[in-house]
Amino acid sequence: EPEVTQTPSHQVTQMGQEVILRCVPISNHLYFYWYRQILGQKVEFLVSFYNNEISEKSEIFDDQFSVERPDGSNFTLKIRSTKLEDSAMYFCARRGEHYGYTFGSGTRLTVV
Amino acid sequence: QKEVEQNSGPLSVPEGAIASLNCTYSDRGSQSFFWYRQYSGKSPELIMFIYSNGDKEDGRFTAQLNKASQYVSLLIRDSQPSDSATYLCALSRDTGRRALTFGSGTRLQVQP
Repeated sequence: EPEVTQTPSHQVTQMGQEVILRCVPISNHLYFYWYRQILGQKVEFLVSFYNNEISEKSEIFDDQFSVERPDGSNFTLKIRSTKLEDSAMYFCARRGEHYGYTFGSGTRLTVV
Repeated sequence: QKEVEQNSGPLSVPEGAIASLNCTYSDRGSQSFFWYRQYSGKSPELIMFIYSNGDKEDGRFTAQLNKASQYVSLLIRDSQPSDSATYLCALSRDTGRRALTFGSGTRLQVQP
C-alpha cells in the first residue's frame, strides 16, 4: 500500500501564528485521520474525516483546529493561533484496506 | 482510570528470546485491537490486529486477546535487536474506522 506523505517534516513557528500541515498526495481514500503525539506521551486522536466531512473529533480538536481537503488530494490540518502546548508530532493517517491505519511520516511542530 | 494501560518498561530480553508485551483496557465496548511498533522519532507502524478471542499468529508475532479479562498481548519470538522499539497497544470501538485509543507504550530492548 502506498505510503502516506506529510509536509513539512519539521516546522518551527512563533506562538500565535497559523500553521498548515499537509498530507500529500492522497487519492481514492475516504477515511483520513489526524493524530498528535507530544514528546514522551501517547498518541492522541484529533479528528477523523470521511467523505469530505468531519465524522468524529476529540476534545483536543477545538475551534483553533480545522481540517480540509481543498483540492481532492491534499488533506490539511490548520491550527489558527498556535500555543506552546501545540508543540508535538502530528500524524495523518488513512484507513487501510482491511483493519488498522497507515500513518504518515509525521510533521514535527515546534512552537516558540 | 486509564483507558489503555501498558507497562512503560523498558522490557529487556536477550536476542533469540520471546518478548511478551501486555495491555489491559477498560472499555468493554472495544471491538478491535492493534499493536503498533514505533521507533524513536518515527511514526507508528502496524504490526498486528485482532478482533476475536484467542491467538492470531503472523510470522514471529502472536497477538492474544481475552475480552472477558480485557487483556491483549503480543508475543515476539526469536527477538532481534531490530525489534528494539516502543510497542503501542491501541483499540477501537468498531473495526477501526472510528478513533483509535492508544496506550502509552512499552519500550522493548533486545540485547545482542
